[in-house]
Amino acid sequence: AIRMTQSPSSLSASTGDRVTITCRASQGIGNFLAWYQQKPGKAPKFLIFAASTLQSGVPARFSGSGSGTDFTLTISSLQSADFATYYCQQYFSFPRTFGQGTTVEI
Amino acid sequence: QLQLQEAGPRLVKPSETLSLTCTVSGGSFNNYYWSWIRQPPGKGLEWIGYVYYRGTTNYNPSLKNRVTISIDTSRNLFSLKMSSVTAADTAFYYCAREDPYGSRPGFDYWGQGALVTVSS
Repeated sequence: AIRMTQSPSSLSASTGDRVTITCRASQGIGNFLAWYQQKPGKAPKFLIFAASTLQSGVPARFSGSGSGTDFTLTISSLQSADFATYYCQQYFSFPRTFGQGTTVEI
Repeated sequence: QLQLQEAGPRLVKPSETLSLTCTVSGGSFNNYYWSWIRQPPGKGLEWIGYVYYRGTTNYNPSLKNRVTISIDTSRNLFSLKMSSVTAADTAFYYCAREDPYGSRPGFDYWGQGALVTVSS
């Protein structure tokens, strides 16, 4: 199975900050990467696919980049609604695997 | 708007079988993978497996011997059965749709989740 490793595991930030989360795959996955946002008590929300394409309705302050093994999720100006846990996920092969999550907190 | 809703017992005894269904409304089953994903409280996400609309399946090898996922398109639902459960199987269980051949690969729709507790 492809192992997905996110860093950091958690970070503290303030409204208006630029935030970057890193995801590394244990082997090359092209751009077969998705990002999700999860708030407490809720199901994950689909944010980005193909490493950098925003799902419909996702604010433009979110962006994704990378290919191969190294990927990033950036929030250009953090809003209060963005405090949550973020997961990367590869769909290059089975089993589908997720990173361990990065919690963005105040 | 597509909606997914999990249903089933929320308390299961150790060594017994966990059974959940996911009812899909507002959309078609065709050409999608219908998946189960779980999340122990306070922990990360683990993909359990999928059933394709035609009935073929693919399971996580870590759970393969205990899991069966099936589909009933006539009733617009798919199901998860996990045998010989232990406390380690206590988790939120989510059903989700994956679009492997379309323009938005990834898990684009999710149910709200069902917390299943394994305890005697």
